[in-house]
Amino acid sequence: NAGVMQNPRHLVRRRGQEARLRCSPMKGHSHVYWYRQLPEEGLKFMVYLQKENIIDESGMPKERFSAEFPKEGPSILRIQQVVRGDSAAYFCASSPRGQPQHFGDGTRLSIL
Amino acid sequence: GQQLNQSPQSMFIQEGEDVSMNCTSSSIFNTWLWYKQDPGEGPVLLIALYKAGELTSNGRLTAQFGITRKDSFLNISASIPSDVGIYFCAGHYSDTGTASKLTFGTGTRLQVTL
Repeated sequence: NAGVMQNPRHLVRRRGQEARLRCSPMKGHSHVYWYRQLPEEGLKFMVYLQKENIIDESGMPKERFSAEFPKEGPSILRIQQVVRGDSAAYFCASSPRGQPQHFGDGTRLSIL
Repeated sequence: GQQLNQSPQSMFIQEGEDVSMNCTSSSIFNTWLWYKQDPGEGPVLLIALYKAGELTSNGRLTAQFGITRKDSFLNISASIPSDVGIYFCAGHYSDTGTASKLTFGTGTRLQVTL
């Protein structure tokens, strides 16, 4: 019974490149959430998606960041033209409707 | 964005001691969750609380949902070395009963010495 799967676990990009982070939710979970964590801080909400729909993107920066959860395949968090300040751990969580969220082990993004 | 305040920020305790930590918010939640995060890993759900005043246990862990709905407490009894990690509270509010985002606390870092 696999948990939330995120890949890659570590991603290194140069400034100006694109970063794509993938998340496969737990089986039977139709709700996906993305959070960002800076060192020594708690997780900050970015976006909440259901299949093919963005439900709440109030935590997403207005530019360069986008997320999708297509009908088939994993959820993708995409960061265009990365900058040093994008360096962080990005966590995905999933849940069935009305149930607690379960987290993956994150993608650590480093910007050179 | 809003963040919950956790205290203490960090604590060093001896193996076998009991631990208490709490989490406060300026606004109400209708669900409180407690997670533990180990280095390099994602948060793992420990306890979920759904009703004001609720007291719930999971092994040596006990958590309570504050009556005001603005706070929650976590106690760990008879600590062991594997309790080391960062403990996060998280609150969830929805007026429609549907899923929504979590607001996380600032974390309590627990170190256990032999």
